[in-house]
Amino acid sequence: SQKIEQNSEALNIQEGKTATLTCNYTNYSPAYLQWYRQDPGRGPVFLLLIRENEKEKRKERLKVTFDTTLKQSLFHITASQPADSATYLCALPRDSGYSTLTFGKGTMLLVSP
Amino acid sequence: ETGVTQTPRHLVMGMTNKKSLKCEQHLGHNAMYWYKQSAKKPLELMFVYNFKEQTENNSVPSRFSPECPNSSHLFLHLHTLQPEDSALYLCASSQGGGSGSYEQYFGPGTRLTVT
Repeated sequence: SQKIEQNSEALNIQEGKTATLTCNYTNYSPAYLQWYRQDPGRGPVFLLLIRENEKEKRKERLKVTFDTTLKQSLFHITASQPADSATYLCALPRDSGYSTLTFGKGTMLLVSP
Repeated sequence: ETGVTQTPRHLVMGMTNKKSLKCEQHLGHNAMYWYKQSAKKPLELMFVYNFKEQTENNSVPSRFSPECPNSSHLFLHLHTLQPEDSALYLCASSQGGGSGSYEQYFGPGTRLTVT
């Protein structure tokens, strides 16, 4: 089944800068990839879904890229704000095709004023 | 009420108790999920239901017993739990019958502590 690698160390950036988080996967290339945000003690919240035929997807200050050659997705938050501080999870189908999701451990983002 | 709701939000139980977690979704979705989230670990999928039929059980111990009476309600019955079962239990729902190509909507979770 799929293995997902997200940086376990927290990412600290200053307000106004662009935050870039990485999601690497190790097995087959998925048909799609999802990103979620999770605040402490709460359930994850869906942010974006990108499909294998889409190189890039945007939603307001968020941008996701998907490179099937590198087996990597990058998640960017531009003009970051302290309210963006949270853990960001990457999720892929567990097996090939359209199986249920498997989630990465997530990367914590801390935006300081 | 909108979205996915879970009750109770916090639960402390002894190893010999029996309790139940409840989840309700108001989104008209056909798939519902139970996840376990322990500290420093990724979300672990426990069960998947599609149109109230169980489609996945990821080798979950029998002391966890799910029940899905209809597409909007999901229960997790707990008995004879172990301290290592202490975690955040999350319910989610989605369209697509469990296919991961649809986004999932999560409830706020139940923080379970087994003493």
